[in-house]
Amino acid sequence: GENVEQHPSTLSVQEGDSAVIKCTYSDSASNYFPWYKQELGKGPQLIIDIRSNVGEKKDQRIAVTLNKTAKHFSLHITETQPEDSAVYFCAASIVARGNEKLTFGTGTRLTIIP
Amino acid sequence: NAGVTQTPKFRVLKTGQSMTLLCAQDMNHEYMYWYRQDPGMGLRLIHYSVGEGTTAKGEVPDGYNVSRLKKQNFLLGLESAAPSQTSVYFCASSRPRTRRETQYFGPGTRLLVL
Repeated sequence: GENVEQHPSTLSVQEGDSAVIKCTYSDSASNYFPWYKQELGKGPQLIIDIRSNVGEKKDQRIAVTLNKTAKHFSLHITETQPEDSAVYFCAASIVARGNEKLTFGTGTRLTIIP
Repeated sequence: NAGVTQTPKFRVLKTGQSMTLLCAQDMNHEYMYWYRQDPGMGLRLIHYSVGEGTTAKGEVPDGYNVSRLKKQNFLLGLESAAPSQTSVYFCASSRPRTRRETQYFGPGTRLLVL
């Protein structure tokens, strides 16, 4: 089955600096890669996702890049703010009829230092 | 529109006791999922359902049972709780017809088994 590795497990950055979280996946058939943000005491929320037919996607201060050849994808947060502090999870899946299961990475705890 | 709700929010059980966790969604989603979240292990899929009356095993199904009698509800049962089932449980749902890959999560149920 799919295996997703996520690094680093913890990350601290100064407010205003950029943060990068990296994930690798094992199954070359995976074609959907979402990123979730989990705040303390809450459930994960989707913040951005990318499909295998594109290499990069941006949404304001957040961007995700995908390298299918190397089987890795990354989350980039620019101009970080205190409200970006949270645990971030990457995930991968093979989107097909009747199979929408996500395999998650182990999470990155991001702390923004004011 | 409440999204995905979970009942209860917190529960303490003694080893051997049974309980049922309830997940409800009001988004008319076809697919529903149960995950458990443990420190350093991300989210792992327990069971899932692709429609009313259907269920399937995920990555870590042992010790759990599920039922999907109504489209909007997905129940997770522990017949004989064990300390290893101490975890935070998340329910999620998704809609296969539009943006079918996106999973929406509930707020979680924290379970402690003594």
